[in-house]
Amino acid sequence: DAMVIQNPRYQVTQFGKPVTLSCSQTLNHNVMYWYQQKSSQAPKLLFHYYDKDFNNEADTPDNFQSRRPNTSFCFLDIRSPGLGDAAMYLCATSLRTGPYEQYFGPGTRLTVT
Amino acid sequence: QKEVEQDPGPLSVPEGAIVSLNCTYSNSAFQYFMWYRQYSRKGPELLMYTYSSGNKEDGRFTAQVDKSSKYISLFIRDSQPSDSATYLCAIHAGGTSYGKLTFGQGTILTVHP
Repeated sequence: DAMVIQNPRYQVTQFGKPVTLSCSQTLNHNVMYWYQQKSSQAPKLLFHYYDKDFNNEADTPDNFQSRRPNTSFCFLDIRSPGLGDAAMYLCATSLRTGPYEQYFGPGTRLTVT
Repeated sequence: QKEVEQDPGPLSVPEGAIVSLNCTYSNSAFQYFMWYRQYSRKGPELLMYTYSSGNKEDGRFTAQVDKSSKYISLFIRDSQPSDSATYLCAIHAGGTSYGKLTFGQGTILTVHP
């Protein structure tokens, strides 16, 4: 089945220690998204890629970076995690030209100690 | 005023009940309407997608859109305990704004046996 895969599912890191989360997709979608979701809140878009074209949301902290080496893979790098960065991180994909529905991965739950 | 308003609940119903979940939105440019189901500690799962006013049915689920009132609904018939989850409405403006899903804050639903 075509899907969005995220690894790891759970990640524990120390305050200030860089961490990388990964996402891969077999849907062959040209747009990939990273969201942050905190408890009882809606997902918050951090950035997205249309192919290799990177689009950063205005309020995404500089501490968050992303890489997309090819169509299938996308990475989220948190350079110096703070306690406030503990959250669920969701990867999603869609087609650019519509239909516009996004397909989400299972998420990576990040804990910062 | 938020662009999308959704009653957070929580909503608790007995098994077999009809559930009505609702969102209102303020931007008349919104054209595409989605409902996601999110189980605890999992990624959102796309349930329904529609882009026109009227009803769309899929099994026990019916999505309803009233563009004139800027109001969308999701009805669940014969609700089951397995329907217990958070339900998120998500809306898209279409066109070149391919990165922009605007989410409601989610309604927590519990169906008790």
